[in-house]
Amino acid sequence: DVKVTQSSRYLVKRTGEKVFLECVQDMDHENMFWYRQDPGLGLRLIYFSYDVKMKEKGDIPEGYSVSREKKERFSLILESASTNQTSMYLCASSLGQGTPGNEQFFGPGTRLTVL
Amino acid sequence: AQSVTQPDIHITVSEGASLELRCNYSYGATPYLFWYVQSPGQGLQLLLKYFSGDTLVQGIKGFEAEFKRSQSSFNLRKPSVHWSDAAEYFCAVGARTNAGKSTFGDGTTLTVKP
Repeated sequence: DVKVTQSSRYLVKRTGEKVFLECVQDMDHENMFWYRQDPGLGLRLIYFSYDVKMKEKGDIPEGYSVSREKKERFSLILESASTNQTSMYLCASSLGQGTPGNEQFFGPGTRLTVL
Repeated sequence: AQSVTQPDIHITVSEGASLELRCNYSYGATPYLFWYVQSPGQGLQLLLKYFSGDTLVQGIKGFEAEFKRSQSSFNLRKPSVHWSDAAEYFCAVGARTNAGKSTFGDGTTLTVKP
């Protein structure tokens, strides 16, 4: 089974702190994703990576950056955390383009609270 | 651009009753379509997917969905709901040329009454 793990289930940070959220997948997937989930807003894509060192902005990239130095690891960085970044963050991975019907496999999520 | 609409924010059904969750999508060609389920405090898990072939798709946990091109719909059904089905359900559409990205609906929360 594909396993996607996230470094923390719960995280509490202060405004202005730099925050790192880590995601690791163990199935050699090319694609990795970071979403945030807020009540009534569904899942919104923050950033997407289709290969090592390659990234693409999603729908809401402002205030975030990402890093993918190794294929299995995709990090989300909040350069200066703000209270409006309090949310559930979900990481996902999938096989690369060209694989028909390639569904995403999700981690358990990190609930981040910024005080 | 692709989009997904889940018209029902919240649905309540009695245990043992049938269930249908609605999903409408917007996309110019034949899309990939997915239903995911999220239990409280968990990530999303794939229930089923459609990408070609038979328009009636069977998934895990007794769920099925039917792709209707003429209605741009991909509704999820289950003939008899169990209390453990209480969760949030997300429909998603993926473009065949969009490098694996999907667009998710806002979700439908299912409550199951005993």
